[in-house]
Amino acid sequence: DADVTQTPRNRITKTGKRIMLECSQTKGHDRMYWYRQDPGLGLRLIYYSFDVKDINKGEISDGYSVSRQAQAKFSLSLESAIPNQTALYFCATSDGDRPQHFGDGTRLSIL
Amino acid sequence: AQSVTQLGSHVSVSEGALVLLRCNYSSSVPPYLFWYVQYPNQGLQLLLKYTSAATLVKGINGFEAEFKKSETSFHLTKPSAHMSDAAEYFCAVSGGKTSYDKVIFGPGTSLSVIP
Repeated sequence: DADVTQTPRNRITKTGKRIMLECSQTKGHDRMYWYRQDPGLGLRLIYYSFDVKDINKGEISDGYSVSRQAQAKFSLSLESAIPNQTALYFCATSDGDRPQHFGDGTRLSIL
Repeated sequence: AQSVTQLGSHVSVSEGALVLLRCNYSSSVPPYLFWYVQYPNQGLQLLLKYTSAATLVKGINGFEAEFKKSETSFHLTKPSAHMSDAAEYFCAVSGGKTSYDKVIFGPGTSLSVIP
């Protein structure tokens, strides 16, 4: 089983819809992250969380919100999806002093 | 502030040839530097990292990278390319351990290996 699991793996939806992407981890790490990947731009940090009570904005948090329901779960929401949020989204974890471990990504298309 | 540039969005090499992927960084503090690989339909995996110890860093799958402060570079190399090396490669920088979580990724280089 994967250490970092993202659901769904693929999602197609319409402009204006509310979308939730979920991430769960079995590594026991305190720190969790949400990135989006766009061609030619690499990965950009949306939000990160150091523990259940500590959530921080990243480079591109506008239009997104997150919830850290438990140490192992970190979800990303798009309250009202727009086409330029079409991207590949990655969840990652770390224990602060080790490389970040990534899920396999969620491919989100907004029509 | 930190930033990363990767020269060449796409690199093609023949199987058995040298792989050289270029990365230059800017950082206002001594950096930590990383190379990640992304295979199709997968997340990123760490290949290697530089954290101010040895300047020549060896990673997994036969890759290595050399930190050159004077050139602000951290190029990735592998002596002999395999077909399985075809993937997207990302260079990344952070401002050391105290800002490890603020890892900045480069735009990526897609490596193709020609039989």
